[in-house]
Amino acid sequence: SQTIHQWPATLVQPVGSPLSLECTVEGTSNPNLYWYRQAAGRGLQLLFYSVGIGQISSEVPQNLSASRPQDRQFILSSKKLLLSDSGFYLCAWTLGRGTEAFFGQGTRLTVV
Amino acid sequence: DQQVKQNSPSLSVQEGRISILNCDYTNSMFDYFLWYKKYPAEGPTFLISISSIKDKNEDGRFTVFLNKSAKHLSLHIVPSQPGDSAVYFCAASLRYNFNKFYFGSGTKLNVKP
Repeated sequence: SQTIHQWPATLVQPVGSPLSLECTVEGTSNPNLYWYRQAAGRGLQLLFYSVGIGQISSEVPQNLSASRPQDRQFILSSKKLLLSDSGFYLCAWTLGRGTEAFFGQGTRLTVV
Repeated sequence: DQQVKQNSPSLSVQEGRISILNCDYTNSMFDYFLWYKKYPAEGPTFLISISSIKDKNEDGRFTVFLNKSAKHLSLHIVPSQPGDSAVYFCAASLRYNFNKFYFGSGTKLNVKP
């Protein structure tokens, strides 16, 4: 069966520090991968999605970037965190069109 | 630009009664709709979906209705149980566009015993 791992679960980082969140999927090949963010009291905002290795599409301009170095690995990064980057970050995957997305457990990021 | 909207941030229902959660969308190109349930500090879990070629899909206590002309969908939970208390997100997808999902802001359901 397919599983998705996301870590760390919680993270407190100072303003201006770098960020690296990692997500890996097991039990499937060539998934579509996604990074979402849920800000306090808000819905889920799509940040990035990827349909293959090295292929990244950005949905909103921001202080973050994403990379997909391997088929089942998706990384969310920042060179310098801002206070506004605080939120709950979720990685998700789908197998393709017409299928539901499966989410990881999320990372609670607090920038102080 | 919020293409998927859930206008009720919260809903309180008595155990055993029906819960109706509503969702509106603006993009007529959306062709796949989903409902997710989310507990605090966890990722959303998939509940039920519906394709735009249907107007109803049922799975146990959960039924999703789609009204394409009104660009409206709803989730009915019958009977509601205390364990259903969670935040419910509706989502819409453009399947031709690599299955990107657009989520509403969520409705917090509280089922009272």
